[in-house]
Amino acid sequence: QQQVKQSPQSLIVQKGGISIINCAYENTAFDYFPWYQQFPGKGPALLIAIRPDVSEKKEGRFTISFNKSAKQFSLHIMDSQPGDSATYFCAASYARQLTFGSGTQLTVLP
Amino acid sequence: ETGVTQTPRHLVMGMTNKKSLKCEQHLGHNAMYWYKQSAKKPLELMFVYNFKEQTENNSVPSRFSPECPNSSHLFLHLHTLQPEDSALYLCASSRDRGVLSGNTIYFGEGSWLTVV
Repeated sequence: QQQVKQSPQSLIVQKGGISIINCAYENTAFDYFPWYQQFPGKGPALLIAIRPDVSEKKEGRFTISFNKSAKQFSLHIMDSQPGDSATYFCAASYARQLTFGSGTQLTVLP
Repeated sequence: ETGVTQTPRHLVMGMTNKKSLKCEQHLGHNAMYWYKQSAKKPLELMFVYNFKEQTENNSVPSRFSPECPNSSHLFLHLHTLQPEDSALYLCASSRDRGVLSGNTIYFGEGSWLTVV
């Protein structure tokens, strides 16, 4: 019940395209859903986050879409750039503890 | 630079060795964490310290021994590890224990551990 399932495992997108990463969860007690971005040789860094009372949050080219009834949330990267190439982790928080998805390795081709 | 510094960045050790990983945060945070990151697996929380006191130990084998002498420093002492313990070990800190909106966890760059 604490699992967060993330897909796809890897994603290749052309420059200027839309990257979409999906996550699903079971535990309806999760109350905070952050996304982390990790570049090679670096630790994960918070990218954007959403609470379950909001269906969408946008920050620049990054948007989280949240579907509470389906227990799914996704990250959309508009106008993807080669500099966005990184590993993206979704996560969900319950009782102040984070559960991470398994990560998506995004490659944006120039 | 996230304000969380980990040393060493790379460590190779034999199964009978004893070594330590060090973490220091310069953010004035009260909570510190150790995570394990293995290839194609979710980040695994190992230990949580809040105001120097251990508040969580997620069933981590005793060959991993954490130490938190103060709110700014965290160590992970390693002893008789197994090859399957090879992974990236990430230290993190946050203002308060746990994750809520506005209480961001900041990660260090990690220590790559290889057990031979």
